This record gives sequence, structure tokens and C-alpha cells, in this order.
Amino acid sequence: AQSVTQLGSHVSVSEGALVLLRCNYSSSVPPYLFWYVQYPNQGLQLLLKYTTGATLVKGINGFEAEFKKSETSFHLTKPSAHMSDAAEYFCAVSPFTGNQFYFGTGTSLTVIP
Amino acid sequence: DAGVIQSPRHEVTEMGQEVTLRCKPISGHNSLFWYRQTMMRGLELLIYFNNNVPIDDSGMPEDRFSAKMPNASFSTLKIQPSEPRDSAVYFCASRALAKNIQYFGAGTRLSVL
Repeated sequence: AQSVTQLGSHVSVSEGALVLLRCNYSSSVPPYLFWYVQYPNQGLQLLLKYTTGATLVKGINGFEAEFKKSETSFHLTKPSAHMSDAAEYFCAVSPFTGNQFYFGTGTSLTVIP
Repeated sequence: DAGVIQSPRHEVTEMGQEVTLRCKPISGHNSLFWYRQTMMRGLELLIYFNNNVPIDDSGMPEDRFSAKMPNASFSTLKIQPSEPRDSAVYFCASRALAKNIQYFGAGTRLSVL
């Protein structure tokens, strides 16, 4: 069975500060891992993904995430928050042999000027 | 490519009326997913298709909900009769089976009065 846990439904950071959004997953087989971003009144956009290979994955808008198998984590980070980063962020897992995506409940990021 | 196209973007209807949501997946994609997003329940998978065939509809909440995919370029999600608790944002996503990435439409915001 697959599941995704996003710790913290709301995260606030100051502009220029580090962004850290947490994601842990449970999976019986190595999964594919994703982060999506949702801006107000829009659909979900792919931010980055991990499939195989290098465990540090770089995405759009300066975001990156590191796959840590031992911790079953895929936390999203950005060194310096920008006002435009304010959005809802979803972590998702998909077994590489399967079809479905399993989404976390989302983390709403607020950036304080 | 224009991406996943959903229509209408907004729908306001009265309880008991039939509602039809439409989705055009990305050309060449052979999987299509319908999701519902609410504040209370987050993002829920309703149903998905592979090669126009429904694979898993266990997320469809009730018999009032039905989905069809008559061809590779079109899908509908129908609610009949609609109820106020169906008010939500409904997303369609498509995926190429060879690439495990889902691309989302902008969503349809449904309000049932």
C-alpha cells in the first residue's frame, strides 16, 4: 500500500528565508516521487520528480528535493523564498509498476514580506 | 501542445440538475484521471482510464457519478442529480503510459446551490 504524509498543512517563511516542506511516504516497492505546486485558481503543475539515479533532484523555480530511502522522505527545499512561491504544494508517490498517483494532503506556503 | 483542457471553468447549478464536466487530454496521452478537490477531503482520485477503458472507479462517491471516455481525445464526468455536497473543484489529468507524469487541467469549479 502507498501513502504520503506531509507534515504541516501550513508553513510560513519570511521572504529570503529557507523553504522546507516535508514529505514522508510508505511504499512496499521503490516508488516514483513527485512534488506539484498549485497556485490559486489553477491546476497542479509538476515542480520536480524522482525516478531513479541521483537522489538530489532539481526542479523549476529554484526548488530541489532529496530522496532519502532510509528515512522514506522526499523533502522539498528552496534556499531563498520569493513572494511568488506562495502556493499549495503537494507531494505524490507512484509505484513504478502501477498507474495511480497517491497525493499528500498538501502544504500551504505563505511568504511574509 | 495546449495541455489538458477542461470545460467549463466554472459551473453554478441548482440541486437536482444534471452536470457534465468535460476534458480533453494531451494528444498522445493514453491515461486519463478525474480528481475532486475540497477543503475537507483534499485531492481525491475518482476514476482513471487507460486506453479509454475505465480501470479503477472505486473513488466514485455514488451512483450519481459516472464517467465516460468514448475516444482518446475526450472524457466526461457526469453528476445526476447534483447535490450541494458535490460542490468542489474537479480536475482532469492525463499521462503518457511510458512516462509516469500526470499533467493537470485548470479544473472546473462546481457550485451546487
